[in-house]
Amino acid sequence: KNQVEQSPQSLIILEGKNCTLQCNYTVSPFSNLRWYKQDTGRGPVSLTIMTFSENTKSNGRYTATLDADTKQSSLHITASQLSDSASYICVVSPNNNDMRFGAGTRLTVKP
Amino acid sequence: DTGVSQNPRHKITKRGQNVTFRCDPISEHNRLYWYRQTLGQGPEFLTYFQNEAQLEKSRLLSDRFSAERPKGSFSTLEIQRTEQGDSAMYLCASSLRAGGLHTEAFFGQGTRLTVV
Repeated sequence: KNQVEQSPQSLIILEGKNCTLQCNYTVSPFSNLRWYKQDTGRGPVSLTIMTFSENTKSNGRYTATLDADTKQSSLHITASQLSDSASYICVVSPNNNDMRFGAGTRLTVKP
Repeated sequence: DTGVSQNPRHKITKRGQNVTFRCDPISEHNRLYWYRQTLGQGPEFLTYFQNEAQLEKSRLLSDRFSAERPKGSFSTLEIQRTEQGDSAMYLCASSLRAGGLHTEAFFGQGTRLTVV
């Protein structure tokens, strides 16, 4: 069983709308959690990184939240754009040597 | 371009052939990782190097797979006797770990392998 579960598996929204992607993890211990954006045929690009003590972090229209007690994170995208269409991958690290990847949420933004 | 560079971007090979991929990390990064990603899935860890030393290998890395980083800079991943199940995107990432500092991992564009 994957230690990082993401939902939904895929999502279609209209341009300009907001959306929230979920990440639940069982990885332990916990060092940090990252959200990556991966365009089709490209490598993942980091959006945010959060450590145990951080509850929320923003990067432009992207806002990530972390609840280390319930082991849940979310990525909220505001005022979506066509270029937001990509896979969003949640990555949890138990230490500095290891990264555990979720399967990703495939987001499609339609005009 | 000072990011992680992977070559080739695409490779189509016949089953049974050997293939080799190259990864050039960000120049000051001492850690280099290889991942495999199949369609609709997140990347799966294969192996990583600290400088020229290969510190960890996943069970996914069968004896047909070998990775090297001879001078602690670029790395190669070779797959011998390719099988159709090897078709995937092979991603390379690099990071810097020095003392208490550990940067995030930066990924290359990947090499898409298709075994026919």
